[in-house]
Amino acid sequence: GAVVSQHPSWVICKSGTSVKIECRSLDFQATTMFWYRQFPKQSLMLMATSNEGSKATYEQGVEKDKFLINHASLTLSTLTVTSAHPEDSSFYICSANTGALRFSEAFFGQGTRLTVV
Amino acid sequence: RKEVEQDPGPFNVPEGATVAFNCTYSNSASQSFFWYRQDCRKEPKLLMSVYSSGNEDGRFTAQLNRASQYISLLIRDSKLSDSATYLCVVNGTPNQAGTALIFGKGTTLSVSS
Repeated sequence: GAVVSQHPSWVICKSGTSVKIECRSLDFQATTMFWYRQFPKQSLMLMATSNEGSKATYEQGVEKDKFLINHASLTLSTLTVTSAHPEDSSFYICSANTGALRFSEAFFGQGTRLTVV
Repeated sequence: RKEVEQDPGPFNVPEGATVAFNCTYSNSASQSFFWYRQDCRKEPKLLMSVYSSGNEDGRFTAQLNRASQYISLLIRDSKLSDSATYLCVVNGTPNQAGTALIFGKGTTLSVSS
């Protein structure tokens, strides 16, 4: 099946620094990828929709200047958490549909556990 | 009303038990429904899609009631390996190339020997 690879799987950073998370579709082209965030004991919440070659679409309440998304190719989307603070510590995960069908199965990356100290 | 609501759990059952999870969704226009399984600190993985006619995959049976906007998952003969969080998932607003998913909070199942 389709594979989505996310890197890094975990990262610890100092408050005020920026962290970049990569999401790659390994055997299919993904014109759209989705970024989610999951706090402990909470559901996955959609942060933004990453569109290849155009600006990302952010969900209400998500700061676009803080969570920079770049989707420069059909197989790579990046999420950069800028000036990270402890409250940004969370599990970040990307997903992509294979695109063959609009409601096809979503494939998830392995997730990135971010801890800001 | 939350977009996707699930039993809060946790469900603690012995091996061999039958357990049922319920879920309701708010968007009557939703067209795709899934149950995902998430193990601790891992990404969600598709357990099964849910169809209007109901579907079964081994020990797992999923049901959908569009009129009531209700989805269920039945697990028979529970195994220790079934211990996980089960997420009720509904498609969001579709765009040209795909659709984001709306997740329930999840129901935690713990199967003990």
